Amino acid sequence: AQKVTQAQTEISVVEKEDVTLDCVYETRDTTYYLFWYKQPPSGELVFLIRRNSFDEQNEISGRYSWNFQKSTSSFNFTITASQVVDSAVYFCALRDTGRRALTFGSGTRLQVQP
Amino acid sequence: DGGITQSPKYLFRKEGQNVTLSCEQNLNHDAMYWYRQDPGQGLRLIYYSQIVNDFQKGDIAEGYSVSREKKESFPLTVTSAQKNPTAFYLCASSMGAGRMNTEAFFGQGTRLTVV
Repeated sequence: AQKVTQAQTEISVVEKEDVTLDCVYETRDTTYYLFWYKQPPSGELVFLIRRNSFDEQNEISGRYSWNFQKSTSSFNFTITASQVVDSAVYFCALRDTGRRALTFGSGTRLQVQP
Repeated sequence: DGGITQSPKYLFRKEGQNVTLSCEQNLNHDAMYWYRQDPGQGLRLIYYSQIVNDFQKGDIAEGYSVSREKKESFPLTVTSAQKNPTAFYLCASSMGAGRMNTEAFFGQGTRLTVV
């Protein structure tokens, strides 16, 4: 069965600090896909990034970067120089061939204080 | 504009009533999903459909029903059998089973409250 764990329930930082959100996943499949979504107060989920299981290349996009490590089943997300607008709930999600719908973690609420 | 439309945004239900939440997409996606979100919790899968006229139960299907008669529509009915229906409901769509690497797009949600 698929499972996604986000151990950090809530993180509070001061603006311009770097912050890393942790995600650990479980799956029996060798082919799977990982996603990060952002949920602002409005409620709609906004897609941020996806990674497939055979591409461990890490990526930087502006202030965002992602660290995917198959050996530890982790897919962590880092925001550099955080801003107040980054305040939201962030979800990690997994899709594998066993169930093609996304399985979500419980989310991490990020509060960036000015 | 392409996207997913959920209606209504807020819905109040009396105990014992069935209510139907609407979800429409114009993205030409094959797959559609319903998730439930409780305060401070993640999204739990209720039902999903990979193609028209077919759907599967998710993790918490009891007390809910769906239909998929049209590609663009995936309504969710919350029945009186659902013991604790107060929650935020999110509908999503994606390109389908053959495109697992594609992201799902979400609607703005319906907040259901039992009064």
